[in-house]
Amino acid sequence: AQSVTQPDIHITVSEGASLELRCNYSYGATPYLFWYVQSPGQGLQLLLKYFSGDTLVQGIKGFEAEFKRSQSSFNLRKPSVHWSDAAEYFCAVGGDNNDMRFGAGTRLTVKP
Amino acid sequence: DSGVTQTPKHLITATGQRVTLRCSPRSGDLSVYWYQQSLDQGLQFLIQYYNGEERAKGNILERFSAQQFPDLHSELNLSSLELGDSALYFCASRGGRANEQFFGPGTRLTVL
Repeated sequence: AQSVTQPDIHITVSEGASLELRCNYSYGATPYLFWYVQSPGQGLQLLLKYFSGDTLVQGIKGFEAEFKRSQSSFNLRKPSVHWSDAAEYFCAVGGDNNDMRFGAGTRLTVKP
Repeated sequence: DSGVTQTPKHLITATGQRVTLRCSPRSGDLSVYWYQQSLDQGLQFLIQYYNGEERAKGNILERFSAQQFPDLHSELNLSSLELGDSALYFCASRGGRANEQFFGPGTRLTVL
């Protein structure tokens, strides 16, 4: 069965510092992998996705993620965090079937 | 704007009552997913419809039901409401090259 683990419930970084949010998945075939961001009281917005090709994918708002099959990971990175990046981030895994599994989320706090 | 619409935005009701939440998917998307997001349970998948038929069920209570109509909009019916049903309810439709889900802005349900 597919599953997603986001080991960090809450992360705090200083504005301008780099960021890495971890995501590990379990999936029986080649996965489709996603990162979503949710600002307070808002819906989930797709940041980026991987489904084939280059394992380093670029997303919106300056985010990128790298698919590492050997480590079953899809970590999200940003070189310099802005105060507006404070939000909840969800990793998700899916495929050609109907199912998509979301991680529990990582809440990002940005210190001035 | 994801292209997925949900109404109403907010709903306040009393215990024991019944409410209906509405979702219109993105143009051309046949799949609709419903999620419940609460502080203690996180993002929980409830149910999925594809072109009018139920495709997958998650942690949906028997008091809850959904349907998808010929014009592809979907409704989630919540009955015999309890205080614990207070949550954000999201609808998502599925499309794109990676079958990613596009989320609506959500309906915030408060049960008093």
